[in-house]
Amino acid sequence: DGGITQSPKYLFRKEGQNVTLSCEQNLNHDAMYWYRQDPGQGLRLIYYSQIVNDFQKGDIAEGYSVSREKKESFPLTVTSAQKNPTAFYLCASSTGGAEYHGYTFGSGTRLTVV
Amino acid sequence: GQNIDQPTEMTATEGAIVQINCTYQTSGFNGLFWYQQHAGEAPTFLSYNVLDGLEEKGRFSSFLSRSKGYSYLLLKELQMKDSASYLCAVLNYGGSQGNLIFGKGTKLSVKP
Repeated sequence: DGGITQSPKYLFRKEGQNVTLSCEQNLNHDAMYWYRQDPGQGLRLIYYSQIVNDFQKGDIAEGYSVSREKKESFPLTVTSAQKNPTAFYLCASSTGGAEYHGYTFGSGTRLTVV
Repeated sequence: GQNIDQPTEMTATEGAIVQINCTYQTSGFNGLFWYQQHAGEAPTFLSYNVLDGLEEKGRFSSFLSRSKGYSYLLLKELQMKDSASYLCAVLNYGGSQGNLIFGKGTKLSVKP
């Protein structure tokens, strides 16, 4: 079955460490997205990529980095520069236009800084 | 600017009907989505409207008025499992921040 997989589901990080969240899709979708969700804040866009080897900053890109070397993969690195990284992170993908079906979401990674 | 408004929280009784409203002001419009999200889980697709009118899908219906920048999600015969957050999202190809713009979500609590 096609889908989008995020791993790990739970992640703990010490302050000052970088950590990478994995996102893989086998839907043959061109576009991929990373969102951060905090209580009461809704979904906030971190980075998105419409095509391999290209990506754009979203509303809250500071302290994060991404790569898109393969169509299937869009990993997100949370760097030590991100001051408040504890949050629920959602990866999504879509066909180029996202019409009719919108985005397909992964199951999320909950990151906690300890 | 881009703005999508929906109530923060709503409460309803099992078996009743509830309407969740969404108003939007965006630089472009190519359709409107409703998603359901249970706590700690991924959002799941509920409906898509691109033309004015009502789309019905089982217990869930979604309405769109493009001239008023307004949509609502109607949930009938509420069940306890409908307790979740409901996200309104506007599709905007001309936007500079990807395609889908999300509201902050409405947390619905269904009580016995």
